[in-house]
Amino acid sequence: DAGVTQSPTHLIKTRGQQVTLRCSPKSGHDTVSWYQQALGQGPQFIFQYYEEEERQRGNFPDRFSGHQYPNYSSELNVNALLLGDSALYLCASASPGTGRYGYTFGSGTRLTVV
Amino acid sequence: AQSVTQLGSHVSVSEGALVLLRCNYSSSVPPYLFWYVQYPNQGLQLLLKYTTGATLVKGINGFEAEFKKSETSFHLTKPSAHMSDAAEYFCAVRGSNGGYQKVTFGIGTKLQVIP
Repeated sequence: DAGVTQSPTHLIKTRGQQVTLRCSPKSGHDTVSWYQQALGQGPQFIFQYYEEEERQRGNFPDRFSGHQYPNYSSELNVNALLLGDSALYLCASASPGTGRYGYTFGSGTRLTVV
Repeated sequence: AQSVTQLGSHVSVSEGALVLLRCNYSSSVPPYLFWYVQYPNQGLQLLLKYTTGATLVKGINGFEAEFKKSETSFHLTKPSAHMSDAAEYFCAVRGSNGGYQKVTFGIGTKLQVIP
């Protein structure tokens, strides 16, 4: 049973560019959350998707947007990249009941903005 | 609203010694509490969780944690450290009041195990 799958694993972008990160949740999971983990920090909540809608959002600017597809997979889009967007981006999924039993995390996408 | 405070960003223990990683939480509703471990260049792995019921919870790799409501704490312990325990550990909290509850993480504690 595959866990949470994220692609790509590593990415290098230039300031001002746009990036799309992808996530396939664990089988049976319908809720997807995205987190940003800067170097030496804990994960920071970006937003959560359920039933193809953004349900909660953390303190991130509108440059960060997302989407969830009918098969529960999700994308995170970041526009107008800044150097400060360099981080590990983690996707986490949960079963119905929104994570009472703990989220399952992917291995992340390491984004470097130069 | 929820928050987590992890005391000690770095902890060093000798192999075979007790591991104690401290976590205090703040929550406006009864919390669900979690400990995750992160190895270098990897995602987060759930070690253990407290939702309801028994306040002493056991997790993988010999770790356990005790929920103490009066102290708003959820400290992680392991009786005897192994070299393989060297990693970063994150305490996390979410509300138990249903809905689309986000999980809030602490800043993490990096555990070093000295041979």
